[in-house]
Amino acid sequence: DTEVTQTPKHLVMGMTNKKSLKCEQHMGHRAMYWYKQKAKKPPELMFVYSYEKLSINESVPSRFSPECPNSSLLNLHLHALQPEDSALYLCASSQLQGGSYGYTFGSGTRLTVV
Amino acid sequence: AQRVTQPEKLLSVFKGAPVELKCNYSYSGSPELFWYVQYSRQRLQLLLRHISRESIKGFTADLNKGETSFHLKKPFAQEEDSAMYYCALRKGNTDKLIFGTGTRLQVFP
Repeated sequence: DTEVTQTPKHLVMGMTNKKSLKCEQHMGHRAMYWYKQKAKKPPELMFVYSYEKLSINESVPSRFSPECPNSSLLNLHLHALQPEDSALYLCASSQLQGGSYGYTFGSGTRLTVV
Repeated sequence: AQRVTQPEKLLSVFKGAPVELKCNYSYSGSPELFWYVQYSRQRLQLLLRHISRESIKGFTADLNKGETSFHLKKPFAQEEDSAMYYCALRKGNTDKLIFGTGTRLQVFP
C-alpha cells in the first residue's frame, strides 16, 4: 500500500457542529502532517506528528484539534469552525522524520463551513 | 526567514517547446528542495528532490546555491505535462515543508 487515504472526501458542516477528518497510511511512515489549502493557494502547514507525538503546531486556532492514535492514523477534530475555515485539508506522511525522501499526500477532504 | 518564490503564476508553451519553471529560495542553512506536481483532479505528488539528482518524466532541476535557485526544466514539453507545479523547501533537520505559490503550466497542442 503506497497511499495516504483521507476520509471523507467532502464535508459540509455548520458552525456549531463537531466533526473529524481521518487520515490513514500503511507505509510505515513515522511522520504525518496536516496541511490546509485554500483555492489557488499553496498548501500551508498546520501540524506535524513525529513518532506519534505532536512536534509542530503552526499557531493553529484551538478549534482544530489533531490526534494521532497510532503510527498509521491521524485525525483532525473540528469544532466551532468559521466559514473562512472552508478549504481543502491535506494529510501527508513521510518515510523519515524530516521528509528527506519527500512527502506522500492524500487526496484531501474538501471542507465547507456554512 | 525562509521563503520560496515562484515568480510566474502561469506559463504557457506549445508542445515540443522547452520549459523552465523558476524557483528561488531564501534560507540561511542547508536547504532540501523539492518539486511537487498536481495534475487536474489528482493529488499532490512528489516530482523531484534535489538530493537525488534524478530525471523524472523528462524533468530535471539543479540546485544553484550561488543563485539560490532550483529551476525545473524540460527540453520538450508534452500536453500531459499541463499541471500545477510547486517548488518546496524543507528546513534542515525539521519537519517543515514550505511551498512556493505555484506555477500553472499549460502545454498547448
